[in-house]
Amino acid sequence: NAGVTQTPKFQVLKTGQSMTLQCAQDMNHEYMSWYRQDPGMGLRLIHYSVGAGITDQGEVPNGYNVSRSTTEDFPLRLLSAAPSQTSVYFCASSRLFSETQYFGPGTRLLVL
Amino acid sequence: AQSVAQPEDQVNVAEGNPLTVKCTYSVSGNPYLFWYVQYPNRGLQFLLKYITGDNLVKGSYGFEAEFNKSQTSFHLKKPSALVSDSALYFCAVRDNRGADGLTFGKGTHLIIQP
Repeated sequence: NAGVTQTPKFQVLKTGQSMTLQCAQDMNHEYMSWYRQDPGMGLRLIHYSVGAGITDQGEVPNGYNVSRSTTEDFPLRLLSAAPSQTSVYFCASSRLFSETQYFGPGTRLLVL
Repeated sequence: AQSVAQPEDQVNVAEGNPLTVKCTYSVSGNPYLFWYVQYPNRGLQFLLKYITGDNLVKGSYGFEAEFNKSQTSFHLKKPSALVSDSALYFCAVRDNRGADGLTFGKGTHLIIQP
């Protein structure tokens, strides 16, 4: 049981490049979400999903796209990276209407 | 809209002394409240939660938290601090009426001095 996994662990992009951050969970959780962590700002919700085929925006969705084709996977796409997207990104999952979210180890992204 | 405030950026405590990390919240409905801990270069680990029932909640590593509805607070406590408790602590809230994600506070650095 791997829990929540994220790849890559670290990535450097140039402004304007695109990339996808991968997130997968093997706990059959229906609820998945993406957060970004910036110094002094805590974690802010980017997008979330309550099940396959259903996604919604969080607090800071601009510049990010998501899709949920399976229960297990919830990729986060940056279509045109900007320096303001330099951050640490965490994926989390939980059973729907359950309360405890389980977090992945994070992806550190640097946009030059 | 839901929100969380952690008024202290940093808390310093001597090893063996009791510690308190403060958290206040705001939600429209009834709150689900959480504490998470983050060690350097690691993800967040769940410590404890309040959903309903007893106002005093016990969690991992000897931590506990007290839910106070009138003061809208959920302070994290431990009777005797360890150097290994030094980390970044986040309080989070979720409104029980919706499927929205957690709203986190900005975090409090807890430093336990030997």
